[in-house]
Amino acid sequence: GENVEQHPSTLSVQEGDSAVIKCTYSDSASNYFPWYKQELGKRPQLIIDIRSNVGEKKDQRIAVTLNKTAKHFSLHITETQPEDSAVYFCAAIRTGGFKTIFGAGTRLFVKA
Amino acid sequence: DTEVTQTPKHLVMGMTNKKSLKCEQHMGHRAMYWYKQKAKKPPELMFVYSYEKLSINESVPSRFSPECPNSSLLNLHLHALQPEDSALYLCASSQVWLALDTGELFFGEGSRLTVL
Repeated sequence: GENVEQHPSTLSVQEGDSAVIKCTYSDSASNYFPWYKQELGKRPQLIIDIRSNVGEKKDQRIAVTLNKTAKHFSLHITETQPEDSAVYFCAAIRTGGFKTIFGAGTRLFVKA
Repeated sequence: DTEVTQTPKHLVMGMTNKKSLKCEQHMGHRAMYWYKQKAKKPPELMFVYSYEKLSINESVPSRFSPECPNSSLLNLHLHALQPEDSALYLCASSQVWLALDTGELFFGEGSRLTVL
C-alpha cells in the first residue's frame, strides 16, 4: 500500500542552525506534499506544501524541495528558533483523493 | 472563520458508557474527517465524509459510529469502547478536490479520550 518514510525520527539542533527532514513516498500518483507542524498538546497545522509540478518552494525560513523522479521531498528550516521545536509530519496525497498518507514524524528540538 | 471546533476537549468514559464527540466548521468545506492519534504517532485516518456521505471507513470497529448531520457538523458516537481506544481524536475538514484545490487539512484541537 501507499507509504511515506520520514527521517530522522528525532533531530536536535542549536538555535540558529539549520534543520533538514527527509521523506520518501511510494505512490507515484501522489502529487501534493504538505508538511504539518504539531506543537505539544496542539493541533497539526500546515506550514508549507508543494505540488508535483514544482521543484522547490520557499516561505521565509522554511523551504521544501521535491525530486519526483526519486520520490523524495525534504523540509529545510534555516536560522532555527526555540519556537520551531515541535513534531513535523510530511505527507503525500493524490489529487482527488481523501487519504493523506503521513510520515511517522520528526521530533525537532531547538536548543537555546 | 478558519477554525474547526471540537467538543469536548477531554472525555473520560467507562467501557459501558455511550458518549459522542462533536466537530463543527464554517469554512464551507465539503469533506470532513475523523482521525485517531496516539502519543508520538501520526494521525490515523478513521472516516471521511464527502458532501455529507460516508466516503471512507478505514475498517474501524463498529463501536465507533460517525454521523454527518449537515455540511458543517460531524459527530463520532462512542459505545462499549476499550482502554486501547484511549487517544486524541482529531476532526479535520478540507475542500473537495477540484483542479486547483490544495487538499490542506484543517484540524481541530482534538478531543482527548480516556477509557477506563
